[in-house]
Amino acid sequence: ILNVEQSPQSLHVQEGDSTNFTCSFPSSNFYALHWYRWETAKSPEALFVMTLNGDEKKKGRISATLNTKEGYSYLYIKGSQPEDSATYLCAHYGSGNTGKLIFGQGTTLQVKP
Amino acid sequence: EAQVTQNPRYLITVTGKKLTVTCSQNMNHEYMSWYRQDPGLGLRQIYYSMNVEVTDKGDVPEGYKVSRKEKRNFPLILESPSPNQTSLYFCASSLGGVDGYTFGSGTRLTVV
Repeated sequence: ILNVEQSPQSLHVQEGDSTNFTCSFPSSNFYALHWYRWETAKSPEALFVMTLNGDEKKKGRISATLNTKEGYSYLYIKGSQPEDSATYLCAHYGSGNTGKLIFGQGTTLQVKP
Repeated sequence: EAQVTQNPRYLITVTGKKLTVTCSQNMNHEYMSWYRQDPGLGLRQIYYSMNVEVTDKGDVPEGYKVSRKEKRNFPLILESPSPNQTSLYFCASSLGGVDGYTFGSGTRLTVV
């Protein structure tokens, strides 16, 4: 994988459903993996920064895991709420701590009440 | 309040008229970056900077210039804007790779 790829592109779930998204990234030259939440008409906000293989991070109902050997990360949302509706972006720092942060195209989540 | 401030928020300009989008952060961050966001293409990095006087090209640098003369400021310069530079632009700053980026509010640029 040469680029950062996210799937699915979009997702519609009912309130209370749990869901997860995937971020795939090049497994070579890994430095860090970021997750951001981006609500409509606002700016992206950082959720997690993950650096170690096997890392797990959690913030409320949202959690993320990291596998640097195979080049993927999962974001989980437990019991989705309408306020979780947003685009979730992952971004890969793959050239050391240089500032070159490459974003995936995002997964847009719509939670219906 | 810790923030990244971009100006202007909205700008309509004509082809070829030089413009500068300013970006300033008050968090003493070393790292700063410019992104453009286009439908279907996601956030693409234009330029980034690791510190004062240290800048490097991102994935889409053509038609843009940047400078980092002070730690807090990272302006984006379009010397001769063209319609294909119509986009939503974000400035962001960070302490480094293991720190999440803080984004500005965005600048919506239209070049006619």
